[in-house]
Amino acid sequence: KQEVTQIPAALSVPEGENLVLNCSFTDSAIYNLQWFRQDPGKGLTSLLLIQSSQREQTSGRLNASLDKSSGRSTLYIAASQPGDSATYLCAVSRYSSASKIIFGSGTRLSIRP
Amino acid sequence: NAGVTQTPKFRILKIGQSMTLQCTQDMNHNYMYWYRQDPGMGLKLIYYSVGAGITDKGEVPNGYNVSRSTTEDFPLRLELAAPSQTSVYFCASSGISGGRSSYEQYFGPGTRLTVT
Repeated sequence: KQEVTQIPAALSVPEGENLVLNCSFTDSAIYNLQWFRQDPGKGLTSLLLIQSSQREQTSGRLNASLDKSSGRSTLYIAASQPGDSATYLCAVSRYSSASKIIFGSGTRLSIRP
Repeated sequence: NAGVTQTPKFRILKIGQSMTLQCTQDMNHNYMYWYRQDPGMGLKLIYYSVGAGITDKGEVPNGYNVSRSTTEDFPLRLELAAPSQTSVYFCASSGISGGRSSYEQYFGPGTRLTVT
């Protein structure tokens, strides 16, 4: 059974630092991995999607990497800003099938001004 | 292009009452999903649909029902509300739109449901 873990559950860093959020999964047979951002009381916003054949994706200050063999993905945030404060969730899908999407419980990120 | 919309935003139900959570998407996505999110937890899949007329159970379907009569709409029905169904409910859709990768999920703003 696929399990997705995000450690730490919470992280606080000063503004301007580069930081890495971690996501690990137990079954390497994935179709894709997606990183989301969730602001308090809001829905999820897709940040990056990595297909199983890809190693990384970049969008602005964000870079997500995928290492299927080790069951790990990282989300790198460069030059963090207070506006980056949110909960970040990763989700993996086993196939294109919608029934096999498993979410981690998220990392709550706080950027101190 | 409104994306995924959900109504209502908030609702309080008494035990045993019924209600329908509405979800609509205007991206012509074939896949639609219902999730619940409990405090401090990730999302758990309740039901999903791969197209109009086709639905299937996810990880936590008990106590819920869905229908998909059109591509755009995917309502979630709670028949006999129980306190364990207190949660935030998110609807999502995925497919190919705007040339972006398929199966990237787009979420609605959520419905916060309390059952007392």
